[in-house]
Amino acid sequence: AQSVSQHNHHVILSEAASLELGCNYSYGGTVNLFWYVQYPGQHLQLLLKYFSGDPLVKGIKGFEAEFIKSKFSFNLRKPSVQWSDTAEYFCAVNDLRTGANNLFFGTGTRLTVIP
Amino acid sequence: DGGITQSPKYLFRKEGQNVTLSCEQNLNHDAMYWYRQDPGQGLRLIYYSQIVNDFQKGDIAEGYSVSREKKESFPLTVTSAQKNPTAFYLCASSPRDRGRRTEAFFGQGTRLTVV
Repeated sequence: AQSVSQHNHHVILSEAASLELGCNYSYGGTVNLFWYVQYPGQHLQLLLKYFSGDPLVKGIKGFEAEFIKSKFSFNLRKPSVQWSDTAEYFCAVNDLRTGANNLFFGTGTRLTVIP
Repeated sequence: DGGITQSPKYLFRKEGQNVTLSCEQNLNHDAMYWYRQDPGQGLRLIYYSQIVNDFQKGDIAEGYSVSREKKESFPLTVTSAQKNPTAFYLCASSPRDRGRRTEAFFGQGTRLTVV
């Protein structure tokens, strides 16, 4: 089965600092890749997604992610974080070998932005 | 508004009792999913359904049961056989797409506490 690794469990940054959250997955074939965000008390929302094409994907709220196939990675970045980015971030992979659109999630990274 | 509704938001049950969590969607999505979220473990798939009257076990189906009698509804029953039922439960849905370029949409979750 697919596995997804997020190595940063808790990241603390000051406002305006740059952010990079790591995500690696195990299967090297065709995959769809996602980053979801869960703000405190809210439901999971899609930040960005990669299906094919340009490996640099731009999402909402200034986030972007780069798909590097050779490294099985899909790291999330933001040049300058804001206090409102405080949330939990989940990387997810849809393994296209399976017959379903099941998502495999990483364990999540909690981001705390200090004003 | 289109979306996924999970009810109730908080649920308390005594140990040994079965409990059913509701999930309704009005997005006309074919596929629906149940995930369990535990601190530090990310989201793990319990059951999924690609079409009405059909469902499949996910990674942690033991102690759970589901039904899919209607397209818009996918209730999850947490049975007394589930050894550690206290958790946050998330329901999701996604449209069917032959190119597999779909994303999942999530409900707000139900926090189940078994005492």
